[in-house]
Amino acid sequence: DTAVSQTPKYLVTQMGNDKSIKCEQNLGHDTMYWYKQDSKKFLKIMFSYNNKELIINETVPNRFSPKSPDKAHLNLHINSLELGDSAVYFCASSPSGRETQYFGPGTRLLVL
Amino acid sequence: SQQGEEDPQALSIQEGENATMNCSYKTSINNLQWYRQNSGRGLVHLILIRSNEREKHSGRLRVTLDTSKKSSSLLITASRAADTASYFCATDGYKLSFGAGTTVTVRA
Repeated sequence: DTAVSQTPKYLVTQMGNDKSIKCEQNLGHDTMYWYKQDSKKFLKIMFSYNNKELIINETVPNRFSPKSPDKAHLNLHINSLELGDSAVYFCASSPSGRETQYFGPGTRLLVL
Repeated sequence: SQQGEEDPQALSIQEGENATMNCSYKTSINNLQWYRQNSGRGLVHLILIRSNEREKHSGRLRVTLDTSKKSSSLLITASRAADTASYFCATDGYKLSFGAGTTVTVRA
C-alpha cells in the first residue's frame, strides 16, 4: 500500500545504454514530479506533470523524456546514458501542485 | 540557483538536546515547507507554514517564519537518535526549490 513507488530501486548500467524508471502513486494526486539528487544532496526538479500534461520542464538534456500514460503514472526514460547521469532520482506527487509533496523511495542510478 | 538554502550544513548534538537549523530564501512565497530525509530514503514532509503565519508547532518540531527577513527556522526539541537525518526547506509553487539540506547527527 506504498503511496509513491518507484522501480527499480537500483540501476547499474553502462554508458550509452537506454533505461527507464517507473513511478506510480495511489494517492489520487493530480501532479507528479521527477527530481534528481546529486552526490552533494542538492535536489533539483526535472519535470512536472499535472493531469498528464507537462507543466515544468527544467533545463534537462533531451536525452531525458518523461511519459505520463495516466494521472497515476510518470515514467522517466533516459537515452544514451552518461557518467554524469549517476544520481538518485526521486518521483513525487502532490494534490494540487502547490502544497505538500509525497516522495518515492528513490532510484539509485550508477552509470559505469 | 537554489531558492531555499539551509544553514548550518551539518550539526552534531547529544541526545536530548535541541537542534536548530535555518533556511533563507530569495523571493516572495506563499508557503515554506520542511522535509526530512533519512539516509538512503526519500524525503518525508514534516511541516508547512504559510506566509501569513509566524510560528507553527508539530509534536517536537517548531517552525518560525520571518517574511521580512526571508528566513525560517526549524527547532527540534529533546532530540532522539531517530532524528538523525538531513533536513531540507523548500519554498512553494509547482516548482519546489530545495537547498542542500542540514545534516543532523544525534549522538547517543
